Amino acid sequence: AQSVTQPDIHITVSEGASLELRCNYSYGATPYLFWYVQSPGQGLQLLLKYFSGDTLVQGIKGFEAEFKRSQSSFNLRKPSVHWSDAAEYFCAVGPPQAGTALIFGKGTTLSVSS
Amino acid sequence: NAGVTQTPKFRVLKTGQSMTLLCAQDMNHEYMYWYRQDPGMGLRLIHYSVGEGTTAKGEVPDGYNVSRLKKQNFLLGLESAAPSQTSVYFCASSPAWPALNSPLHFGNGTRLTVT
Repeated sequence: AQSVTQPDIHITVSEGASLELRCNYSYGATPYLFWYVQSPGQGLQLLLKYFSGDTLVQGIKGFEAEFKRSQSSFNLRKPSVHWSDAAEYFCAVGPPQAGTALIFGKGTTLSVSS
Repeated sequence: NAGVTQTPKFRVLKTGQSMTLLCAQDMNHEYMYWYRQDPGMGLRLIHYSVGEGTTAKGEVPDGYNVSRLKKQNFLLGLESAAPSQTSVYFCASSPAWPALNSPLHFGNGTRLTVT
């Protein structure tokens, strides 16, 4: 069965420190992978996506993610976190066949301390 | 350009009452979705539609019905609300199958409380 696991429910990072949010997936084929961010009281916004090619993808707001097929992972990173990055982050996988929808992980809440 | 608009933003229902959540998108998107978001559960797909006049069940469809009579609107109905349906509901749309270069656009959510 397809699934997405975000092992960390809540992470606190100091402002200016680096960040890595973990995402592991279980899928029968090579999935399409996404990271979304949700600010309080808002809907979700796409940060970045991976379909094929270069396994390191760049997104908005200075985020990047690396696809590692051998580890079934798609971890999100940022070199220096800003207080405005505090939000909830969701990893999602897209199936290779049409007529279906994304599967989301349960999310990781990021807090930023000063 | 409004994007995806959800109506209402907040609602309190009593057990057994019915209501309809409206989602409207002005981007001419083919695909539309209803998700619910609960603490610790992430987003779970309720129903979705791959085009006008079509609907399909998602992960947690029980207790909900949907209709897509017009391409721009996707309605989510609760016929007899239960406390377990207390949640934040998100509508989303995409131009095509989401695994292509077709990201989801989300509304700002409807917070529903069933007492």
